[in-house]
Amino acid sequence: KAGVTQTPRYLIKTRGQQVTLSCSPISGHRSVSWYQQTPGQGLQFLFEYFSETQRNKGNFPGRFSGRQFSNSRSEMNVSTLELGDSALYLCASSLGGDRGLVGTGELFFGEGSRLTVL
Amino acid sequence: AQRVTQPEKLLSVFKGAPVELKCNYSYSGSPELFWYVQYSRQRLQLLLRHISRESIKGFTADLNKGETSFHLKKPFAQEEDSAMYYCVLRMRNFNKFYFGSGTKLNVKP
Repeated sequence: KAGVTQTPRYLIKTRGQQVTLSCSPISGHRSVSWYQQTPGQGLQFLFEYFSETQRNKGNFPGRFSGRQFSNSRSEMNVSTLELGDSALYLCASSLGGDRGLVGTGELFFGEGSRLTVL
Repeated sequence: AQRVTQPEKLLSVFKGAPVELKCNYSYSGSPELFWYVQYSRQRLQLLLRHISRESIKGFTADLNKGETSFHLKKPFAQEEDSAMYYCVLRMRNFNKFYFGSGTKLNVKP
């Protein structure tokens, strides 16, 4: 089974620009969640999508958004980039459960997209 | 608010010594606790979950609700245990995870 794939792996942007990151989950996984990892704040939950709907959301400003497609692939977008958005963005997929269930809690992570904002 | 605290950034032990990675959490509800591990040049992956009450690679962790702790233990550390370990809390019935800041375990030969 192919693992979680994130693209691009590295990118450099300037302040004020926007960026879109992509995540392809493991086949059959319907839940995709996104995390921001920085040296100062560690791993922070951004949001989770399940069956094309945002099911959970972290405490990030509205500049951070995401979506999920019918094939479970997900994208996240950051608009009006700030220097502080420089981070490793990790995507994780899981079975996610159904009918109010949330699954076993085993997340399968991608290698991440490293964003540098200049 | 939910919070996971791992007080040690770095823990160094010699091979064969016991190891305990500390984790404390704050959550008013009934939590689910996990340990995730990241070995060098590998992806973050699940090590164990409290609900399974299992031993993985010799590691165990017991959820102590009274002390709100979920410490990870292994009686005899091996060099291949060297990695970054994250304690993780999930709110029950939500697929939303809170990560601790991580502890880097270094097992010396």
